[in-house]
Amino acid sequence: AQTVTQSQPEMSVQEAETVTLSCTYDTSESDYYLFWYKQPPSRQMILVIRQEAYKQQNATENRFSVNFQKAAKSFSLKISDSQLGDAAMYFCAYRTAAMDSNYQLIWGAGTKLIIKP
Amino acid sequence: DAGVIQSPRHEVTEMGQEVTLRCKPISGHNSLFWYRQTMMRGLELLIYFNNNVPIDDSGMPEDRFSAKMPNASFSTLKIQPSEPRDSAVYFCASSVNRIPLYGYTFGSGTRLTVV
Repeated sequence: AQTVTQSQPEMSVQEAETVTLSCTYDTSESDYYLFWYKQPPSRQMILVIRQEAYKQQNATENRFSVNFQKAAKSFSLKISDSQLGDAAMYFCAYRTAAMDSNYQLIWGAGTKLIIKP
Repeated sequence: DAGVIQSPRHEVTEMGQEVTLRCKPISGHNSLFWYRQTMMRGLELLIYFNNNVPIDDSGMPEDRFSAKMPNASFSTLKIQPSEPRDSAVYFCASSVNRIPLYGYTFGSGTRLTVV
């Protein structure tokens, strides 16, 4: 069974600095999808960025980018120019690409990101 | 598109009462998921539906919990009777199976407090 591990329960960063949140996963599959979700204090779960495993190019969305290392089964999230509005819980998630499987996301435990003004 | 709509946003009820949470998924999405989130246990999948059919309800805590999806645009999660330990935020999410890269779209959640 697949698992997702976020080893940092909490991280803090100075406003305008860069921070990297780590995520590792365990799978025997070669094709899958990876996601980062953000949950601010408003509690809304928001999709931040996504990556297809068969694409070597790292996904980027404005100030958010990932470092996807398939062989190492690592999917870290880099937030550049951190802003106060980035303060949130960040969840990493995995989904199989197998079409005959269930459609669940496998979730990490989350990392709480604190932005220091 | 209005996104996934959940109601109510907040619910406070007394122990022993029946609670019904509602969810309207995004039109065209064919999978629907109910999650519970607490500080102690994090995000837990309770049940999910595919094309209105319950596929996996192994996460439902006990018989007090039940979920239905009578049509593609509506689902309910019912707790009867409610207990204080059911206090949590309950999320509904929907997705399109044939486009897995879309991930899930979540509703804004229902914060349930059982006193």
